[in-house]
Amino acid sequence: AQSVTQLGSHVSVSEGALVLLRCNYSSSVPPYLFWYVQYPNQGLQLLLKYTTGATLVKGINGFEAEFKKSETSFHLTKPSAHMSDAAEYFCAVSDSYGNNRLAFGKGNQVVVIP
Amino acid sequence: EAEVAQSPRYKITEKSQAVAFWCDPISGHATLYWYRQILGQGPELLVQFQDESVVDDSQLPKDRFSAERLKGVDSTLKIQPAELGDSAMYLCASSRRQYEQYFGPGTRLTVT
Repeated sequence: AQSVTQLGSHVSVSEGALVLLRCNYSSSVPPYLFWYVQYPNQGLQLLLKYTTGATLVKGINGFEAEFKKSETSFHLTKPSAHMSDAAEYFCAVSDSYGNNRLAFGKGNQVVVIP
Repeated sequence: EAEVAQSPRYKITEKSQAVAFWCDPISGHATLYWYRQILGQGPELLVQFQDESVVDDSQLPKDRFSAERLKGVDSTLKIQPAELGDSAMYLCASSRRQYEQYFGPGTRLTVT
């Protein structure tokens, strides 16, 4: 079974500072990895995904993530936080063999301090 | 841009009552998913459809939950009877390709 670990349910970051959200996964097969963002009382929006190829993936709103197989990690970063980045962020994993079932982490609630 | 539609957005029901949620996926998306998201946690898959067929309902509490997608387009998720622990956000998603799921806005269920 696949799983994702996201540590630190709440993350506070100053406006303009680096945003770093950590994600470690467990998978017995090559994984597909995703980051989603969720605003209050809304559905999930895909930020970025890794399937194959380049391990540094760029997404929307200035976010990027790097797949590191040796560390089983897929950490999300953004160089400079904006007030609009305040939201909940979820890392998810699925397998690459056609199952397409997403296993989500518990999420990180990001608070941006002016 | 096409979106996944869900209704109602909010639902309050009493314990032991029946409740139903509706989802209309993006046109052309053959795969449809229902997730449950408890406050403070990530979404958990309840059921996955490929066209009108269920391909995964291993996490669906079948004693009280049912889901259907009769014509392979829109879908209904039903809970009967509702319990206090069913209070959650119910999310619908759809996909055409293997690794891109698009989520609807969700239905927030409160059971009193």
